[in-house]
Amino acid sequence: AQSVTQPDIHITVSEGASLELRCNYSYGATPYLFWYVQSPGQGLQLLLKYFSGDTLVQGIKGFEAEFKRSQSSFNLRKPSVHWSDAAEYFCAVDLWSQGNLIFGKGTKLSVKP
Amino acid sequence: DAGVTQSPTHLIKTRGQQVTLRCSPISGHKSVSWYQQVLGQGPQFIFQYYEKEERGRGNFPDRFSARQFPNYSSELNVNALLLGDSALYLCASSPVSGNEQFFGPGTRLTVL
Repeated sequence: AQSVTQPDIHITVSEGASLELRCNYSYGATPYLFWYVQSPGQGLQLLLKYFSGDTLVQGIKGFEAEFKRSQSSFNLRKPSVHWSDAAEYFCAVDLWSQGNLIFGKGTKLSVKP
Repeated sequence: DAGVTQSPTHLIKTRGQQVTLRCSPISGHKSVSWYQQVLGQGPQFIFQYYEKEERGRGNFPDRFSARQFPNYSSELNVNALLLGDSALYLCASSPVSGNEQFFGPGTRLTVL
């Protein structure tokens, strides 16, 4: 079945440490890829997107993500986490540019002082 | 510039009732999508409307319906509410079908 997998339900990192959140998708073609962040009780904010071209994409708030076709992955990274990054992060794909986003189950990020 | 707005913010209904949720897209955006987010899960696609026509529908029962108005705002209707319909309902808009989507703050629906 077509799906988006975020294998880590909850991750805790220390403030200032680096972060990598994993995302894998199972589709034959390369979909449009997105990372969104959601703070408690809030809507979703787009961090970054990949449509085509350079496989390393830069986003807002110092985040970046790397698309690896061979691994069907689109992992999110940040070199130094801030306490304000504590939130839930969702990976999403859009097949065939249809405007129908398919989301993973999310990874909750906690930041230790 | 105003982002996507949704109303109401919170809503409490009882089983069997009907509910209407409203969404106003970002000015200039012609596509609106609706998502349901159950606690602890990622959002699930319900509908997409573009230029007032339904362009996509997720795996939801016919109790769910939606429409888009000439000013591109949209309503989501849910009939015969079930306890399982309790969720955060998110609306997203995009300038054209398939581009990145901008989400509103959502409507929290509680069904008792």
